[in-house]
Amino acid sequence: EAGVTQFPSHSVIEKGQTVTLRCDPISGHDNLYWYRRVMGKEIKFLLHFVKESKQDESGMPNNRFLAERTGGTYSTLKVQPAELEDSGVYFCASSQVGGYNSPLHFGNGTRLTVT
Amino acid sequence: DQQVKQNSPSLSVQEGRISILNCDYTNSMFDYFLWYKKYPAEGPTFLISISSIKDKNEDGRFTVFLNKSAKHLSLHIVPSQPGDSAVYFCAVYPGGTSYGKLTFGQGTILTVHP
Repeated sequence: EAGVTQFPSHSVIEKGQTVTLRCDPISGHDNLYWYRRVMGKEIKFLLHFVKESKQDESGMPNNRFLAERTGGTYSTLKVQPAELEDSGVYFCASSQVGGYNSPLHFGNGTRLTVT
Repeated sequence: DQQVKQNSPSLSVQEGRISILNCDYTNSMFDYFLWYKKYPAEGPTFLISISSIKDKNEDGRFTVFLNKSAKHLSLHIVPSQPGDSAVYFCAVYPGGTSYGKLTFGQGTILTVHP
């Protein structure tokens, strides 16, 4: 089974530009999550989709961030306009069901650098 | 306000010896705890977990201990192998229905020397 796939693996953009990150979860996983790790610190939750619905978006930093999951398959995370503090590694994860016995499967992340 | 803390940024261990990674948390309501391992340029991979109703869970070379009164979690790796060299994150579920909303520590870099 293919794992969680994220694209691109790296992105370097200038402050004020727009970037869109994509995540393809494991097939059949209804739950999709976005996390972010900034400057080697802890990995922080951004939001959680169940199919195409946002279950919890309490971790989204501000309204410059927009996540979508049209059709309940892949998801995109758009940052517009990007700021310097948005630099970090953005991880996507998926799980089949929501529950303690369904660990999250993470992708390899997208490293975003805003200059 | 960091609810999960891994106070040791790094740990160096000789191959064959025990590695002990520690994690402290602040909220006694946390009820499920996990350890993830992360290699460079890869995403975190689930390693082992423990529920708050237990104080120990073992899986091969990996054992997680939970001390609820001290709000302390530890991961023991015995014997340590060079392939265990990675960043280890402890994580907690806050309880309720927030199954996907993990709170992570900052990570500990483990280096196992041959």
